[in-house]
Amino acid sequence: SYQLTQPPSVSVSPGQTASISCSGDKLGDKFVSWYQQRPGQSPVLVIYQDNKRPGIPERFSGSNSGNTATLTISGTQAMDEAAYYCQAWDSSKVVFGGGTKLTVL
Amino acid sequence: QVTLKESGPVLVKPTETLTLTCTVSGFSLSNGRMGVSWIRQPPGKALEWLAHIFSNDEKSYSTSLWSSLSISKDTSKSQVFLTMTNLGPVDTATYYCARIVETGSAVLTTYFDYWGQGTPVTVSS
Repeated sequence: SYQLTQPPSVSVSPGQTASISCSGDKLGDKFVSWYQQRPGQSPVLVIYQDNKRPGIPERFSGSNSGNTATLTISGTQAMDEAAYYCQAWDSSKVVFGGGTKLTVL
Repeated sequence: QVTLKESGPVLVKPTETLTLTCTVSGFSLSNGRMGVSWIRQPPGKALEWLAHIFSNDEKSYSTSLWSSLSISKDTSKSQVFLTMTNLGPVDTATYYCARIVETGSAVLTTYFDYWGQGTPVTVSS
């Protein structure tokens, strides 16, 4: 079955740019969505179809090419500290990445 | 306003069957290229997709759990049900339902635009 791989953790200083990767075989041929999950809360959609924002701040952006999709957070704020999950669609099934814990130091 | 709310037992014994209900509002289970998925999250772990059902009644299940899962819906009551048989301690998790949207033409994809608050389930004797 299809797999998505994310780094377990990423650290960033406030105001800097954070990049979270998601890799999978020929992932660029699929669309990728991203979800933010703060502790104790339900996930929230932040990016869909690689780079579309559903009414969330413009500092969140996404890209997808080759075998890697990337979620980029510009001007990272303390409130962005959360777990982030990528998601794709393969053979009529949903696939999630293992999640990345973003720490804003 | 779209909302989803999960309900079901908090504690289940090993080998028992779990039935969860997702009650939705703000959209119909019979229209459009959308449906409802069940996703779970064991404590401190990642999200795991379990199953989905679309408005046209198309269903799909996790490859690793398909033999123990069954998803169905009652459109008139705006409810989606998930049944999971032969539970074990590893099934202890928060169970979420979420609205799944299918989009795209040349390349199909799905995403989850609304999520429920989740319902915790503990499997223990």
